[in-house]
Amino acid sequence: ILNVEQSPQSLHVQEGDSTNFTCSFPSSNFYALHWYRWETAKSPEALFVMTLNGDEKKKGRISATLNTKEGYSYLYIKGSQPEDSATYLCASDSWGKLQFGAGTQVVVTP
Amino acid sequence: DADVTQTPRNRITKTGKRIMLECSQTKGHDRMYWYRQDPGLGLRLIYYSFDVKDINKGEISDGYSVSRQAQAKFSLSLESAIPNQTALYFCATSAGNRGPTNSDGANVLTFGAGSRLTVL
Repeated sequence: ILNVEQSPQSLHVQEGDSTNFTCSFPSSNFYALHWYRWETAKSPEALFVMTLNGDEKKKGRISATLNTKEGYSYLYIKGSQPEDSATYLCASDSWGKLQFGAGTQVVVTP
Repeated sequence: DADVTQTPRNRITKTGKRIMLECSQTKGHDRMYWYRQDPGLGLRLIYYSFDVKDINKGEISDGYSVSRQAQAKFSLSLESAIPNQTALYFCATSAGNRGPTNSDGANVLTFGAGSRLTVL
């Protein structure tokens, strides 16, 4: 049973459009929320780690926010490019033990 | 060389065979993990180890065992492989308590390239 839920499961975005998707997680035993980017045939790579309610992190055109009170995080991609195509995984970190969601697969078409 | 190395990268075996997947790391991290990935289910934790003498079951440990031979080595064994253990297996490491003083980064995972196992 996945306590960490991601939605949507997949989405298609036109190049240049912006998009966002959600990760919800249980608030009990919460230490941090991680986002990873996973490209086909590669390993997942860390994007962000956030611990505090209201945290916002940004890396280039990708940003994320955290709401620990209600148990959700958003990841935003601004001006999507084909190279943004990947599966984005979130994970709830309970003091070093990470539980992952099933991921949101993003396909950016030219 | 990769920071986290998994061997073998691909393996096809038969039901009932014993299989070992090996993981070694050069990052000097204390914490090591084994995850399996199945389509639509994300990454599920099999076992994790916070140091050489500390090994813990994850959410799906049945049918698996692990050995932490050294700080840098963590192997996963399937004593008697079955077809529903066909999956992509990832080893990962994190710095844990010896991580950067910014605690945000202490548990960031570095993944190996994955080991694809097929059990016929």
